[in-house]
Amino acid sequence: GQQVMQIPQYQHVQEGEDFTTYCNSSTTLSNIQWYKQRPGGHPVFLIQLVKSGEVKKQKRLTFQFGEAKKNSSLHITATQTTDVGTYFCAGPGKLSFGAGTTVTVRA
Amino acid sequence: DTAVSQTPKYLVTQMGNDKSIKCEQNLGHDTMYWYKQDSKKFLKIMFSYNNKELIINETVPNRFSPKSPDKAHLNLHINSLELGDSAVYFCASSQTPASTNEKLFFGSGTQLSVL
Repeated sequence: GQQVMQIPQYQHVQEGEDFTTYCNSSTTLSNIQWYKQRPGGHPVFLIQLVKSGEVKKQKRLTFQFGEAKKNSSLHITATQTTDVGTYFCAGPGKLSFGAGTTVTVRA
Repeated sequence: DTAVSQTPKYLVTQMGNDKSIKCEQNLGHDTMYWYKQDSKKFLKIMFSYNNKELIINETVPNRFSPKSPDKAHLNLHINSLELGDSAVYFCASSQTPASTNEKLFFGSGTQLSVL
């Protein structure tokens, strides 16, 4: 499967602030998926992006697929304590997810 | 009514022992997986079965042996446990193999601690 790299690996955010996590690939991806894993929990599917330049929103979460389909981003606005967890992106194949971005929130 | 269920949730055992983790999915999916998540959160594929047939077998010690009696079940047996086997093991399933656009459904994980 195609490997994707995520940055940053850790994100410490003040409650109410925005942040973005990025997913990058050296090769073009046919699609990309995002998962969220709460502390002590299991990964849960959030969304899939397929089209070049695609933008999808889920409440305060905005997912974007790059024009070249080599990168993706997840932007969270007005971070809440419920956003705590690790966010993974996965390219086609989903054979390995990498380390994800682990988000902690300070109230 | 849990979609992907695995047991046990916690497993504490001594080095050298043999243990099994069971997984069942009630989603009617064809494909099941075992992933290992280390302390740094890396999720690494170990095995994948499609309709009871092994389709992915990553570089995993042969002390790990998966078994799929039917497409709804994928169990993992580990012989001669080592300290380095300590991790969280996740079972997952998808409608079709992961090479397609199908999303994965994960079980709640088994925290294995080898002492």
